Amino acid sequence: GAGVSQSPRYKVTKRGQDVALRCDPISGHVSLYWYRQALGQGPEFLTYFNYEAQQDKSGLPNDRFSAERPEGSISTLTIQRTEQRDSAMYRCASSLRQGPYNEQFFGPGTRLTVL
Amino acid sequence: GQQLNQSPQSMFIQEGEDVSMNCTSSSIFNTWLWYKQDPGEGPVLLIALHKAGELTSNGRLTAQFGITRKDSFLNISASIPSDVGIYFCAGPLNSGYSTLTFGKGTMLLVSP
Repeated sequence: GAGVSQSPRYKVTKRGQDVALRCDPISGHVSLYWYRQALGQGPEFLTYFNYEAQQDKSGLPNDRFSAERPEGSISTLTIQRTEQRDSAMYRCASSLRQGPYNEQFFGPGTRLTVL
Repeated sequence: GQQLNQSPQSMFIQEGEDVSMNCTSSSIFNTWLWYKQDPGEGPVLLIALHKAGELTSNGRLTAQFGITRKDSFLNISASIPSDVGIYFCAGPLNSGYSTLTFGKGTMLLVSP
């Protein structure tokens, strides 16, 4: 596939359950970003990686959220003990490398609903 | 944190009309980005601006990087129904350009 893919596209879970959201970036892209987008808002930064190294996780709301990219390609965002306020669209983006001239390409997102 | 304020929040126009929207910030940005988000899709980059005063076009779209570096404008000429979507401005949160902050978006609806 040519673009960023995310799975699942939709996830409904009960409060207290853990969820894992997957992102498959464009092949060869060094940088991978996670954003969260609430209804009526723009994407909000969560964390990003260069290769397998997590460079910045300052946007993660609390310690229930974690992300990894062990082999520098696919990334997983994990939310433990989900709460209703975690319901949102979670978007992944990738870029060839970081920097102002490197476009971030966004995936279609995973819509998470916590009941 | 840095906030980007977009206006208007939404617009409902007739096909063929020109559209103008803007984005302002209390902080200086060195790069301004304009994205479009279609329903059910992720944002797609339309135009990137890297220099104060820069005016850049992409087809019917024209964007300008304000001289003060605290604002940017996006114009769409002769709108068509496929212009429908949410338009976001964005800028880098840090000098490494690794993370972006987005405005809340302008929703555009075009009536045929």
